[in-house]
Amino acid sequence: QSALTQPASVSGSPGQSITISCTGTDSDVGSYNLVSWYQHHPGKAPKLLIYEVSKRPSGVSNRFSGSKTGNTASLTISGLQAEDEADYYCCSYAGSNTLGVFGGGTKLTVL
Amino acid sequence: QVQLQESGPGLVKPSETLSLTCAVSGGSVSSGSYYWSWIRQPPGKGLEWIGYIYYSGSTKYNPSLKSRVTISVDTSKSQFSLKLRSVTAADTAVYYCARYDYGEDYFDYWGQGTQVTVSS
Repeated sequence: QSALTQPASVSGSPGQSITISCTGTDSDVGSYNLVSWYQHHPGKAPKLLIYEVSKRPSGVSNRFSGSKTGNTASLTISGLQAEDEADYYCCSYAGSNTLGVFGGGTKLTVL
Repeated sequence: QVQLQESGPGLVKPSETLSLTCAVSGGSVSSGSYYWSWIRQPPGKGLEWIGYIYYSGSTKYNPSLKSRVTISVDTSKSQFSLKLRSVTAADTAVYYCARYDYGEDYFDYWGQGTQVTVSS
């Protein structure tokens, strides 16, 4: 049960768009459309942004969107804002016999 | 609004047992649609799902920790707990409790996390 692979850091200027990738395997990301994304401001509770690859919970800005191709899921944030600066984690279902697996996290810096 | 709050010692000696409790408010641990989970984040590393418990008491643990972990639930107090035995410095981490909606397969509510350091 290996962690999903995310870039350690990404950055962008206000108003720009950025994409964070999350690469897994045929056993997790590639087999299930059950990838979720979380935003984490240090010291606060992580917040669900995206579930089932591309669905947004009510109350989450439509600036956040998700997609998946093969074994790689992606989170795109458009119209970057200062408050988007945070850590972002992906998580994938990996089958009924195991727990889900998280990515290593990506630190987003808004320049 | 569901809220989760972790509590427990912030410092544990090597070889001892780490014990944390997660108090749940605004919702019930007896709800049948959720797995009550513990997750941790070692310094400089990503998140690791430690395991979960269903309100009935059934559990599932991360294989890497299974021999040392016990998660229990107290529905009367609306809380669930984590015990991690024989800790080492590698168990130093921020520990989070969270609610996992197994119908939708996501964590919808998290605690703020609590730092646990293993040191003599």
